Amino acid sequence: DIVMTQSPDSLAVSLGERATINCKSSQSVLYSSTNKNHLAWYQVKPGQPPKLLIYWASNRESGVPDRFSGSGSGTDFTLTISSLQAEDVAVYYCQQYYSVPVIFGQGTRLEIK
Amino acid sequence: EVQLVESGGGLVQPGGSLRLSCAASGFTFSNYWMHWVRQAPGKGLVWVSRITSDGSNIAYADSVKGRFTISRDNAKNTLYLQMNSLRAEDTAVYYCARVHFSGGANDNWGQGTLVTVSS
Repeated sequence: DIVMTQSPDSLAVSLGERATINCKSSQSVLYSSTNKNHLAWYQVKPGQPPKLLIYWASNRESGVPDRFSGSGSGTDFTLTISSLQAEDVAVYYCQQYYSVPVIFGQGTRLEIK
Repeated sequence: EVQLVESGGGLVQPGGSLRLSCAASGFTFSNYWMHWVRQAPGKGLVWVSRITSDGSNIAYADSVKGRFTISRDNAKNTLYLQMNSLRAEDTAVYYCARVHFSGGANDNWGQGTLVTVSS
């Protein structure tokens, strides 16, 4: 099974500052025939279901603010929030869907400093 | 508007069974793969199972293989999860989630249904 490791486990950032969350997979999630990375990012707020932010590692889901961006390829990926807003306080998860079992990272808790 | 509504959760004793349902609306259910994902209290997201659009290909997490069965009724726009031999560690909120039209990621999620396994 692919192992997904996020860093850090928690992060405190000032309003308006940049937040960066990393995700590393134990093997490549780049599908060579399509040149697509099978990697997504989700935001989870208390009492709410997960919300898809990014798919194919860097494609922003419709309706997601453009301060959220995803980057990386192969085994190393990053979710960046360019200017942190109060409503961005949440737990963020990466997910690989390259193969089953589908695996989520352990989550990164983002708070306001 | 896409809607996914789970039901069937509740309190069950260890060794018992429950059947979860996920009613889909606002999209052509029969065109989409579907997943079940769970989240234990205070813990992270854990994938449980996946079913293809026509039900021909199914996958499970090792932790539920042989105990849980995913299925769907495309005529009723409903996804199911039959859970048998339940254990305390199966206690979680269970979400059904649609797979994005382009494949892979989960673009729409239900609100979840809580399953509590306890004596």
